[in-house]
Amino acid sequence: AQTVTQSQPEMSVQEAETVTLSCTYDTSESDYYLFWYKQPPSRQMILVIRQEAYKQQNATENRFSVNFQKAAKSFSLKISDSQLGDAAMYFCAYNNAGNMLTFGGGTRLMVKP
Amino acid sequence: GAGVSQSPSNKVTEKGKDVELRCDPISGHTALYWYRQSLGQGLEFLIYFQGNSAPDKSGLPSDRFSAERTGGSVSTLTIQRTQQEDSAVYLCASSPGTGGNQPQHFGDGTRLSIL
Repeated sequence: AQTVTQSQPEMSVQEAETVTLSCTYDTSESDYYLFWYKQPPSRQMILVIRQEAYKQQNATENRFSVNFQKAAKSFSLKISDSQLGDAAMYFCAYNNAGNMLTFGGGTRLMVKP
Repeated sequence: GAGVSQSPSNKVTEKGKDVELRCDPISGHTALYWYRQSLGQGLEFLIYFQGNSAPDKSGLPSDRFSAERTGGSVSTLTIQRTQQEDSAVYLCASSPGTGGNQPQHFGDGTRLSIL
């Protein structure tokens, strides 16, 4: 079974600074997808960024980028120029069979003004 | 609406009662998922519907849990004889189809509290 681990329960960053959230996963599959979701207090899970395992190039979405290390099974999220609105729970997730997502335990990000 | 809609937003009920949670997916999305988010267990997959295929019920924690999807659209998650450990946020998601490249879009969830 696949597992996803987020080793940082909480992280803090100064506004306008850069922060990196860690995620590791375990799988025996070679083709899969990885996601980062943001969950603000409103509870809605919002897709931040996704990465296809067969692509070597790291995905980027504006201020959000990932560092995907397939051999190390690592998938970290970098947030540049952090904003107050980035404060939320962040979940790393894995999907290979096209059905359910397997989530990590989440990282709470706090942004200090 | 444009997004996944869940109702009620909050539900408080007494232990032993039955509850129904509703999910209205994004129009045209053929895949629908239910997840449970609780303090002790994190985010867990419950059940998955895809078109007219038999649902994947592998995540349902007990036979007190069941779900239906009528007409390939709205889904209802039913919990019978609720227990205190059922207290959680129940999240619904939909996607345009299957395949890991199909991102799942989530609703705001239903917070269920069992007294």
